[in-house]
Amino acid sequence: DTAVSQTPKYLVTQMGNDKSIKCEQNLGHDTMYWYKQDSKKFLKIMFSYNNKELIINETVPNRFSPKSPDKAHLNLHINSLELGDSAVYFCASSQDGQGPLANYGYTFGSGTRLTVV
Amino acid sequence: GESVGLHLPTLSVQEGDNSIINCAYSNSASDYFIWYKQESGKGPQFIIDIRSNMDKRQGQRVTVLLNKTVKHLSLQIAATQPGDSAVYFCAESGNFNKFYFGSGTKLNVKP
Repeated sequence: DTAVSQTPKYLVTQMGNDKSIKCEQNLGHDTMYWYKQDSKKFLKIMFSYNNKELIINETVPNRFSPKSPDKAHLNLHINSLELGDSAVYFCASSQDGQGPLANYGYTFGSGTRLTVV
Repeated sequence: GESVGLHLPTLSVQEGDNSIINCAYSNSASDYFIWYKQESGKGPQFIIDIRSNMDKRQGQRVTVLLNKTVKHLSLQIAATQPGDSAVYFCAESGNFNKFYFGSGTKLNVKP
């Protein structure tokens, strides 16, 4: 059973199209994230949801809209795709920690490689 | 915003040698750090974490060292194996919900 699963794994689309990426976690984690990884492997946070509430919204074009129907799902919808949106998008989840030894590490999905042509 | 950087973008080591991957961070308020390993075609995978009240933490074949004075973090891998070949990221946080990742170091293990 995959802990954090994203679909699709690959997405090739034309400029101007609208597309969605789906993410689901079966870990019972409270917080989910979207990260963007560029061609130089740099990982940048985009959004974070805690129990369906948006808690982090970095400087991301409003063409990107996350949606969390429940705490196990966080989808990413992108309108009017641009060439610069080409990247690998990672979903991740983490558990709210308790105590000084809590592990706040993320569990990442395997990524969605988006190519805009 | 905060920045996290790595000194060496690529590190090549011989199988069986020890590897040291370094990371510098600029936010002195960061109090929690994680090392991740990313293999080709996969998402980053948690390796080890350390809090700012510690200067060393050991796992299986890995050790993380934290020097808060100079804002430096390192990951030591003992007896490096071909399966250790990957890109390694350090990530730092001041509030546990938001991590800033470094640009990554690629580790090549030569047989």
